[in-house]
Amino acid sequence: DAGVIQSPRHEVTEMGQEVTLRCKPISGHDYLFWYRQTMMRGLELLIYFNNNVPIDDSGMPEDRFSAKMPNASFSTLKIQPSEPRDSAVYFCASSPLGLPGLALHFGNGTRLTVT
Amino acid sequence: GENVEQHPSTLSVQEGDSAVIKCTYSDSASNYFPWYKQELGKGPQLIIDIRSNVGEKKDQRIAVTLNKTAKHFSLHITETQPEDSAVYFCAADAGANSKLTFGKGITLSVRP
Repeated sequence: DAGVIQSPRHEVTEMGQEVTLRCKPISGHDYLFWYRQTMMRGLELLIYFNNNVPIDDSGMPEDRFSAKMPNASFSTLKIQPSEPRDSAVYFCASSPLGLPGLALHFGNGTRLTVT
Repeated sequence: GENVEQHPSTLSVQEGDSAVIKCTYSDSASNYFPWYKQELGKGPQLIIDIRSNVGEKKDQRIAVTLNKTAKHFSLHITETQPEDSAVYFCAADAGANSKLTFGKGITLSVRP
């Protein structure tokens, strides 16, 4: 089991550019989550999917953020256009259980820096 | 919504001593309380969890206790080792919809 795989590990971009973060969940996990981590706000849930369908996107900060899950083994989080305040570590997590949020398996994150 | 708080934000202990990390929550409907450990450069990792129908759960050197009346739960680490140094997050679900709300985390340092 390779765990949740995220790419890239680090992303540095200029304000206004489009950023795409990628995630491969653990095979067989029905739930996929995108979290953002900052010193000020801690871990924030942005959106989660169940069986590839977005269930709750109330944590997505603005329309500049969008997430997709075209199949059970791949998800993307896109920021367009990016802003310096989007700088954070973005985590993808998946869960094998019947309820969201239980036994989360996190990836190692993508550290995004927007200059 | 659920509000989860951890205090203090840092804790330093001597190797071999015990460490206790406390967490409070606000939603009386919450019934699932996990603890996550985050090492530098990695994602959080689930280390232990407890449900509201039990008061204590133990796994080797770590244990979690829950007081539903007071709405707080604690992580206990015995015989601490340098590799226990990390950031520890508590979390609570939001009752029926079961989304997790995380605390801000506490940095544990184990001095050799």
